[in-house]
Amino acid sequence: AAGVIQSPRHLIKEKRETATLKCYPIPRHDTVYWYQQGPGQDPQFLISFYEKMQSDKGSIPDRFSAQQFSDYHSELNMSSLELGDSALYFCASSLARHTEAFFGQGTRLTVV
Amino acid sequence: QKEVEQDPGPLSVPEGAIVSLNCTYSNSAFQYFMWYRQYSRKGPELLMYTYSSGNKEDGRFTAQVDKSSKYISLFIRDSQPSDSATYLCAMSLPTSGTYKYIFGTGTRLKVLA
Repeated sequence: AAGVIQSPRHLIKEKRETATLKCYPIPRHDTVYWYQQGPGQDPQFLISFYEKMQSDKGSIPDRFSAQQFSDYHSELNMSSLELGDSALYFCASSLARHTEAFFGQGTRLTVV
Repeated sequence: QKEVEQDPGPLSVPEGAIVSLNCTYSNSAFQYFMWYRQYSRKGPELLMYTYSSGNKEDGRFTAQVDKSSKYISLFIRDSQPSDSATYLCAMSLPTSGTYKYIFGTGTRLKVLA
């Protein structure tokens, strides 16, 4: 079965650079979530989209923005990167009417 | 105080043991309760999800929810070395037509051969 696809899997950026992470949800899923997971920490909710509209917002810095496109894929844009932004970034998708969220394999971002 | 509390472990058990993993929560608005398994450097994999109080069984896994005590558990029977991973509990709240998921910190489990 198709799963959530994230790209790239690994990304190395320098401080103050910009990064774009992409997420392709499971086909027919209309809801996308973004999470940030630091080393040894639980996933922290950043932002979610339902039917291409922002649904909820968590602890997402103002330097980050995200959107969901007409084909339901989502992109997380991160600007003015800081060392503390180094983390695993997960995307999850679900059907709004259903509660189960399925995660991608994540993008490991390293800021140097 | 975090909305979802989970003992981070690590928890080490011998192969074949029954493992009990637990989470407590404070928000009675949580509707759905999930357990994810996460191997190192991988994405969380959904194991079980439940809605009502009671037990739900799937193979070697049993999820238990006690809404009156705000307590959930995951039991793993006949544990295997391949079960060694971090287990995250997650709970969902309805929000803006969809759900918001809150995670516990995860419990690191090591099953010794």
